[in-house]
Amino acid sequence: QVQLVESGGGVVQPGGSLRLSCAASDFPFSNYNMHWVRQAPGKGLEWIAFIHYSGSDHYYADSVKGRFTISRDNSKNTLYLQMNSLRADDTAMYYCARDQSAGENWFDPWGQGTLVAVSS
Amino acid sequence: DIQMIQSPSSVSASVGDRVTITCRASQGIGSWLAWYQQKPGKAPKLLIYAATSLQSGVPSRFSASGSGADFTLTISSLQPEDLAVYYCQQANSFPLTFGGGTKVEIK
Repeated sequence: QVQLVESGGGVVQPGGSLRLSCAASDFPFSNYNMHWVRQAPGKGLEWIAFIHYSGSDHYYADSVKGRFTISRDNSKNTLYLQMNSLRADDTAMYYCARDQSAGENWFDPWGQGTLVAVSS
Repeated sequence: DIQMIQSPSSVSASVGDRVTITCRASQGIGSWLAWYQQKPGKAPKLLIYAATSLQSGVPSRFSASGSGADFTLTISSLQPEDLAVYYCQQANSFPLTFGGGTKVEIK
């Protein structure tokens, strides 16, 4: 069964860093574009980052541009999100998600999420 | 950036009722629209893609219409398990953006 499992969330102080991982299984990971989407507590969904299946292209939301970096290791079937200069408003559940099919930019499946809390 | 405006923000309906949610894009997006269902405490789930296509495994009481800038999601006969927040999302251009969500409650 196609599955995405996030890890790496936790509590971090403002200005700190964290790296999230998303382990993919039961599909050809290297053939699919991937995304990170976040959801602040009690709020709606916010797309934050995209990476091309080859790793050659990236897009970011303005809210994270210059602070977050999306990457992937196709040999390990793993997606990453390096988060630097974290702020209180980065507190959210972070989901990784796969393009449903090639290049269409809607998301299926989603992981279960990993919670990031930025607090002193 | 393309803004996605959903209405209503919440709706309360009885089991068996027809429920309609609308989503308007700030510019034309063709059919580059998806709908998601998020049940309490769970990750979102894709319901509809390409504006009108039902994702595999989604009950047929869910349907959607629209193109350009105006879109609609319809639940033809509301069921208790449809309690959730529903989001539209434009896939036309980066940054990808979601509507604010519509909370569907059961009377």
